[in-house]
Amino acid sequence: DIQMTQSPSTLTASVGDRVTITCRASLSVNNWLAWYQQKPGKAPKLLIYKASTLESGVPSRFSGSGSATEFTLTISSLQPDDFAIYYCQQYDSYPYTFGQGTRLEIK
Amino acid sequence: QVRLVESGGGLVKPGGSLRLSCAASGFTFSDYFMSWIRQTPGKGLEWISFISLDPTFVSYADSVKGRFTISRDSARNSVYLEMNSLTAEDTAIYFCARNKMGQQLADSWGQGTVVTVSS
Repeated sequence: DIQMTQSPSTLTASVGDRVTITCRASLSVNNWLAWYQQKPGKAPKLLIYKASTLESGVPSRFSGSGSATEFTLTISSLQPDDFAIYYCQQYDSYPYTFGQGTRLEIK
Repeated sequence: QVRLVESGGGLVKPGGSLRLSCAASGFTFSDYFMSWIRQTPGKGLEWISFISLDPTFVSYADSVKGRFTISRDSARNSVYLEMNSLTAEDTAIYFCARNKMGQQLADSWGQGTVVTVSS
């Protein structure tokens, strides 16, 4: 199975900050990489797919980049609604696997 | 709008069985692969199964292979997960998800149903 490792595990930031979350894959997943946001008690929500394509309705302050084994999710200017847990997921090969999550907390 | 509503979760004893259902609405069900994904505090998110447009192609994670069966009913716009030989390791929130068209990722999720395996 392809292992997905996110860093950091927890990120503390302020409204208006620019933040970056990294996701590393144990093997190349080409560009088949998605990012999700999850809030307490809710299901994950798709933000980005194919490494850098923004899902419809997702604010443009979210962006994704990377290829092969290293990917990043950037939020250009944090809003109060963005404090949540973020997960990456590879869908290059089954079983599709998720990172362990990055908790984004308010400073 | 897309809506996925899971049901059937609950408390079951080790070795027992449970059948989860997911009722879909707001989209053409027969056009989409469907999946089940579960979440635990310890193991995080785990994609456990998906089913193709017609039910001829299904896939399972090793952790549930041989014990779980995914199925779908286009007449009822529903997807199911039959779970047998349950263990404590299967305790989780189970999410039904719609696969993004042409890609194996989840673009819509249900609210989840809780399965607890305990004596």
